[in-house]
Amino acid sequence: EVQLVESGGGLVQPGGSLRLSCAASGFTFSSYWMHWVRQAPGKGLVWVSRINSDGSSTSYADSVKGRFTISRDNAKNTLYLQMNSLRAEDTAVYYCARDHGYQGFEFDYWGQGTLVTVSS
Amino acid sequence: QSVLTQPPSVSGAPGQRVTISCTGSSSNIGAGYDVHWYQQLPGTAPKLLIYGNSNRPSGVPDRFSGSKSGTSASLAITGLQAEDEADYYCQSYDSSLSEGVFGGGTKLTVL
Repeated sequence: EVQLVESGGGLVQPGGSLRLSCAASGFTFSSYWMHWVRQAPGKGLVWVSRINSDGSSTSYADSVKGRFTISRDNAKNTLYLQMNSLRAEDTAVYYCARDHGYQGFEFDYWGQGTLVTVSS
Repeated sequence: QSVLTQPPSVSGAPGQRVTISCTGSSSNIGAGYDVHWYQQLPGTAPKLLIYGNSNRPSGVPDRFSGSKSGTSASLAITGLQAEDEADYYCQSYDSSLSEGVFGGGTKLTVL
């Protein structure tokens, strides 16, 4: 059974940093692109970042470019999102999601999400 | 303001058919990128409902179907059931942004 379990969320002050983790199991993690998608409270889904299967290629939404870094450790079956210079507008539930691989940028399994709150 | 446009809400009685539209542009749906649909039940993570415009993952009932034409796509739900009450999101890729893009979401109410 495919499982994605996020952790690392919490309350952080504006300008602070946080690192999210996503532990994957039930599939060959090193074969799949992975993504982060976020959802502000009461709002819609927003794609944040993606990484290819070996970690050599990444891309980011303009809203987080230069502040967030996606990475992965295939030996540990874990995806990461390093978030720096956090702003109030980054407050959201952050989901990790597996790329389905059909065309790219479609998400077939999602974690339960971890809440990041940026506030003083 | 989402790149893909969906109606904020739709509703229907049990057993009826409803459709949810998703309108994009020449840099996403109109450029040939596929449309995918997700269902988000209250308090839960999204679930892939339709991928590649019209394909259902294993386990998704055939009451759910998708289509695409030009710069738009649609999700149809037939035989509405109470458990279909959820938020539905369309999603594609935008070549000018080089980003995955979502619609703003549509809340389905089963009357």
